[in-house]
Amino acid sequence: QSALTQPASVSGSPGQSITISCTGTSSDVGGYNTVAWHQQHPGKAPKLMIYDVNQRPSGVSNRFSGSKSANTASLTISGLLADDEADYFCSSFTSSITYVFGTGTKVTVL
Amino acid sequence: QLQLLEAGPGLIKPSETLSLTCSVSGGSIRDGNYVWGWIRQPPGKGLEWIGTIHYSGNTYYNPSLKSRLTISVDTSKNQFSLQLSSVTAADTAVYFCARHPNGHMDVWGQGTMVTVSS
Repeated sequence: QSALTQPASVSGSPGQSITISCTGTSSDVGGYNTVAWHQQHPGKAPKLMIYDVNQRPSGVSNRFSGSKSANTASLTISGLLADDEADYFCSSFTSSITYVFGTGTKVTVL
Repeated sequence: QLQLLEAGPGLIKPSETLSLTCSVSGGSIRDGNYVWGWIRQPPGKGLEWIGTIHYSGNTYYNPSLKSRLTISVDTSKNQFSLQLSSVTAADTAVYFCARHPNGHMDVWGQGTMVTVSS
């Protein structure tokens, strides 16, 4: 199974909005509403930020939102804060009854 | 609240079998709403799903690791385990365990670093 495709890096200034894409196939992203987004600070475990394409777990800021169109999912972070600087990984369930992660995106707050 | 804690050897020699355990606290591994999985991350790289188990013993493995992989569950200890045989340097990574509600991972362990080196 191939990793989902994400841009290597995205940057923005404090207060701005950024969007990270996650491209897969009809066998994963396009076929299921199970896209999730995880935030990972250096040396830390990933933290779930979005699940089921656009659902936020309790305690996650509403500055984080998700969407999907065909085989591409997106994570938008609005009102960018310094603490948003981290790596972000998407994930999806697949038709092979497996899970696949994205290649990861490093978000830099300028 | 639910916590997961990985335990493992830290350093293992090539060709040996890696054994890791994930202890679950603050919740029961027998909760049928969840499955339990392993994910790894080589240094400086992305996440790779390894495999997942239901408390009944049903398992789902990454095809690229399936021939070397065994995931098991011990409900009496509220733990699940990973065994990966014939390890090489390519298996050097931080190994995480996580809970899966439905198609995603919602609670992660802190991770344990495993280095394969002679």
